[in-house]
Amino acid sequence: DIVMTQSPDSLAVSLGERATINCKSSQSVLYSSNNKNYLAWYQQKPGQPPKLLIYWASTRESGVPDRFSGSGSGTDFTLTISSLQPEDVAVYYCQQYYSSPFTFGPGTKVDIK
Amino acid sequence: EVQLVESGGGLVQPGGSLRLSCAASGFTFSSYAMHWVRQAPGKGLEYVSTISTNGGTTYYPNSVKGRFTISRDNSKNTLFLQMGSLRVEDMAVYYCARGRGSSDYDAFNIWGQGTMVTVSS
Repeated sequence: DIVMTQSPDSLAVSLGERATINCKSSQSVLYSSNNKNYLAWYQQKPGQPPKLLIYWASTRESGVPDRFSGSGSGTDFTLTISSLQPEDVAVYYCQQYYSSPFTFGPGTKVDIK
Repeated sequence: EVQLVESGGGLVQPGGSLRLSCAASGFTFSSYAMHWVRQAPGKGLEYVSTISTNGGTTYYPNSVKGRFTISRDNSKNTLFLQMGSLRVEDMAVYYCARGRGSSDYDAFNIWGQGTMVTVSS
């Protein structure tokens, strides 16, 4: 199984400042035949189901604000919130869908400083 | 409106069985891979199962393999999760989710609100 790790476990950022979350997979999730990274990012607010933010490591889901961006390839990935807004307080999860089981990272909690 | 609505959760004793359902609406159900994901109270997300569009291929992590069975009825736009030999550690909110497309290997872009499964004597 591919193990997903995230850092930090939690972070507090001032409104309008940048938040950066890292995700690492225990093996590459880059599929060489199509050059796609099988990596997604989700946001989960308290009492709500997760919401897809980013897929293919860097493609923003429809309707997701452009302050959210994803980057990285192979085994190392980053989710960046360029200017933190109050509504961004949530737990963020990365997930690999390269191979089953489609494992999630442990989550990173983002708060306002 | 695209929607997934889970049902069937409840209280079950250790060793018992439960069948979850997920009713889909607002999209062509048979064209999408479907998934189950669970979340224990206060914990993170855990992948549970995937089923291909025609039900011919299924996937499970070792933690539920042999105890859980995913299935779908495309004529009724419904996804199922049959859970057996339930353990205390299976207690969680169970979400059904839709893949982005027909591929089994894609992100999950539509989620239900979840149904709670409590395993306790």
